Amino acid sequence: GAVVSQHPSRVICKSGTSVKIECRSLDFQATTMFWYRQFPKQSLMLMATSNEGSKATYEQGVEKDKFLINHASLTLSTLTVTSAHPEDSSFYICSAGGDSTDTQYFGPGTRLTVL
Amino acid sequence: AQSVTQPDIHITVSEGASLELRCNYSYGATPYLFWYVQSPGQGLQLLLKYFSGDTLVQGIKGFEAEFKRSQSSFNLRKPSVHWSDAAEYFCAVGAGQGAQKLVFGQGTRLTINP
Repeated sequence: GAVVSQHPSRVICKSGTSVKIECRSLDFQATTMFWYRQFPKQSLMLMATSNEGSKATYEQGVEKDKFLINHASLTLSTLTVTSAHPEDSSFYICSAGGDSTDTQYFGPGTRLTVL
Repeated sequence: AQSVTQPDIHITVSEGASLELRCNYSYGATPYLFWYVQSPGQGLQLLLKYFSGDTLVQGIKGFEAEFKRSQSSFNLRKPSVHWSDAAEYFCAVGAGQGAQKLVFGQGTRLTINP
């Protein structure tokens, strides 16, 4: 299957700072990328869908000004958590789709801890 | 809107025993169905998927799943589990093309007894 990477894998930041998470599809062109959030022992909740070169589509209840998503190329999408607060601490997972298999491939996730 | 239910939050089986994880979905059209596995602190790995055709789907690591339209189910099975199968398992349904938005079930945590 296709490979998706995320960077960083783990980040700790102070409250009020911004954090950028990168998601890369390494061996295929991802026309669509998805960002999920996962709380401990819970399922994945879709935050937003991004298509290359377009504005992201956010799910209901997700603040677009707080979670900035950029999908500037077919292999890279970024999620920026602006003015992070402790309640933003979570596991963020991206996925990429758009190859010939009609399947989403998931990154390894980023553990964000806001102090 | 589509939804997925995994009735079992936690299942414990002995190593070598057979396994079945249940998944029921709700979707008006023919669903795209997926099973993913997640090890602690990791992302999701695709085990298998169903789009159309043969309703018994073979996946990686010896897993298989059967799509039963009449029961709106897509249960995951393995004839003999290994200790390394201990993980969280997620069933998901997609609308239209598989690369579109996925809705996940709550997950089933699998524990393997030695």
